[in-house]
Amino acid sequence: RKEVEQDPGPFNVPEGATVAFNCTYSNSASQSFFWYRQDCRKEPKLLMSVYSSGNEDGRFTAQLNRASQYISLLIRDSKLSDSATYLCVVRKATTDSWGKLQFGAGTQVVVTP
Amino acid sequence: NAGVTQTPKFRVLKTGQSMTLLCAQDMNHEYMYWYRQDPGMGLRLIHYSVGEGTTAKGEVPDGYNVSRLKKQNFLLGLESAAPSQTSVYFCASRQSQETQYFGPGTRLLVL
Repeated sequence: RKEVEQDPGPFNVPEGATVAFNCTYSNSASQSFFWYRQDCRKEPKLLMSVYSSGNEDGRFTAQLNRASQYISLLIRDSKLSDSATYLCVVRKATTDSWGKLQFGAGTQVVVTP
Repeated sequence: NAGVTQTPKFRVLKTGQSMTLLCAQDMNHEYMYWYRQDPGMGLRLIHYSVGEGTTAKGEVPDGYNVSRLKKQNFLLGLESAAPSQTSVYFCASRQSQETQYFGPGTRLLVL
């Protein structure tokens, strides 16, 4: 079983609509959670960290459910520029000072006009 | 700041050939990482370094070697390339608890 699992999609979303997708992680000791964005043939870039109480960054909302071991990302009022692959990323423990991360394979989002 | 740069951007090798991928960062970061990304899989850690002169194995280190002689550079070597090493290679760096910053990637095709 993969440590971080994501629905690969694609999620086809009309411009202006809302899209949400989840990611599950297998290691209950995981402490830090992130969403990265990766455009086609480009490097991953941090979109947002995910905090225990949930957090928003503009049109993006991230939630963490430790009991069920999943995190979610919701995109409101989708823009064409939101088309990308969204990577779920987990760090096992805050004591892991080496900062090693576990990456999901990504969820592809395609926003259509 | 250029951030994290990688050389070359693209390379084709024949099986058995060797090559070195160069990663450079100008942010004075202590930690550097090499990942590979294959279709349908998440990025996998090959090797990493927690400071100048140090290296450690990641999740998939076999067939690769690394060196960190200078703080700003992290080299990834393939001594005898195999088709299974066809992939996109990303370098990343970070400082303390900050996020990892990635380079633009190197696309490697081994025939």
